[in-house]
Amino acid sequence: ETGVTQTPRHLVMGMTNKKSLKCEQHLGHNAMYWYKQSAKKPLELMFVYSLEERVENNSVPSRFSPECPNSSHLFLHLHTLQPEDSALYLCASSQDTTTGELFFGEGSRLTVL
Amino acid sequence: GQSLEQPSEVTAVEGAIVQINCTYQTSGFYGLSWYQQHDGGAPTFLSYNGLDGLEETGRFSSFLSRSDSYGYLLLQELQMKDSASYFCAVRNYGQNFVFGPGTRLSVLP
Repeated sequence: ETGVTQTPRHLVMGMTNKKSLKCEQHLGHNAMYWYKQSAKKPLELMFVYSLEERVENNSVPSRFSPECPNSSHLFLHLHTLQPEDSALYLCASSQDTTTGELFFGEGSRLTVL
Repeated sequence: GQSLEQPSEVTAVEGAIVQINCTYQTSGFYGLSWYQQHDGGAPTFLSYNGLDGLEETGRFSSFLSRSDSYGYLLLQELQMKDSASYFCAVRNYGQNFVFGPGTRLSVLP
């Protein structure tokens, strides 16, 4: 148990659906992240939030929309996805954006049909 | 740009010592971290080097040379449960945290 909880663990959606991934951290951290992990590829940083403000957006398509309503919760809203978006989406948190230690959730395995 | 390089695969036997190297190119470097990920699991933090030198945590040690843009993870007294993927990751001033491609370690009996 890392203190970072992601739901759902598995999600199957069609290309026209709208769904959301949820992440909650119980560690009192100030920074939260979304990463994408595809087969045979390194973890790709998607978004970084520090104190609820987005500080990094790595040229992610607009069909992915993050939301950070408070320092404990992070969402990734999904809309009109493509089959190549199928991947493991990992949420992580850290004390701040200078520390070298990230705490990851178990991930949400997304399949887009 | 930023890039990290690691060997894609390493194989060793139980009880042995293995070293996984990582070279990086980045600007505004803070430090180098190492993570372990078992199949189907989440990455878990192993160590962080913000300064040059060796950091030791039990059977695992990590080394950093900032002048050479190089680091390594050393695993001693290998156990079967150490079979996993290992990632180096760079923290830089851009509030970014970039991961390497990962090294798959197989420990044989």
